[in-house]
Amino acid sequence: DTEVTQTPKHLVMGMTNKKSLKCEQHMGHRAMYWYKQKAKKPPELMFVYSYEKLSINESVPSRFSPECPNSSLLNLHLHALQPEDSALYLCASSQVGTGNYEQYFGPGTRLTVT
Amino acid sequence: GQQVMQIPQYQHVQEGEDFTTYCNSSTTLSNIQWYKQRPGGHPVFLIQLVKSGEVKKQKRLTFQFGEAKKNSSLHITATQTTDVGTYFCGPKNSGYSTLTFGKGTMLLVSP
Repeated sequence: DTEVTQTPKHLVMGMTNKKSLKCEQHMGHRAMYWYKQKAKKPPELMFVYSYEKLSINESVPSRFSPECPNSSLLNLHLHALQPEDSALYLCASSQVGTGNYEQYFGPGTRLTVT
Repeated sequence: GQQVMQIPQYQHVQEGEDFTTYCNSSTTLSNIQWYKQRPGGHPVFLIQLVKSGEVKKQKRLTFQFGEAKKNSSLHITATQTTDVGTYFCGPKNSGYSTLTFGKGTMLLVSP
């Protein structure tokens, strides 16, 4: 199984709402990532978890809160978002290390903040 | 992470024509990865290049890594409508396997 799943596919939320994005993989990958992608732009790295520990936070605002409950799951908790946070949120996973380790991306959650 | 520049940003070709996108860096890269993202889709890994002067082929796609390891290219021979999408390059940084994507080249193929 080389699939990364993400739920929900689409999410519309108000600026005062709290919501969560979920990501799951069963490839045994111990590195998991959150990316944000705006239209016609490349994915931008937000967070990296390695062995269930947060290893990289690319100066992301605290209204985004990642969580890695176990080696297969990755969540992104959202609170008090701004309209400019509307984007495609992509989860990815990979093996850990410096070898030829490709990243497997999920289909993404398209988020609209109203 | 290391920064790369991709050119062109956009190319529109007729089906059957060839296409090339270039990925350039001002610094020496340890490796480069290429991904394809179809419209409405997510990035899908195509290849990783590591060695100076490396050339790899996947059917109609040819990937090259420059001798100085500062540039890379993806060439598609005889494009098909299924080649439509955005092609991203990016070096994979050491340690946590993070990627720094270039801005991508959007390819449109008309039948």
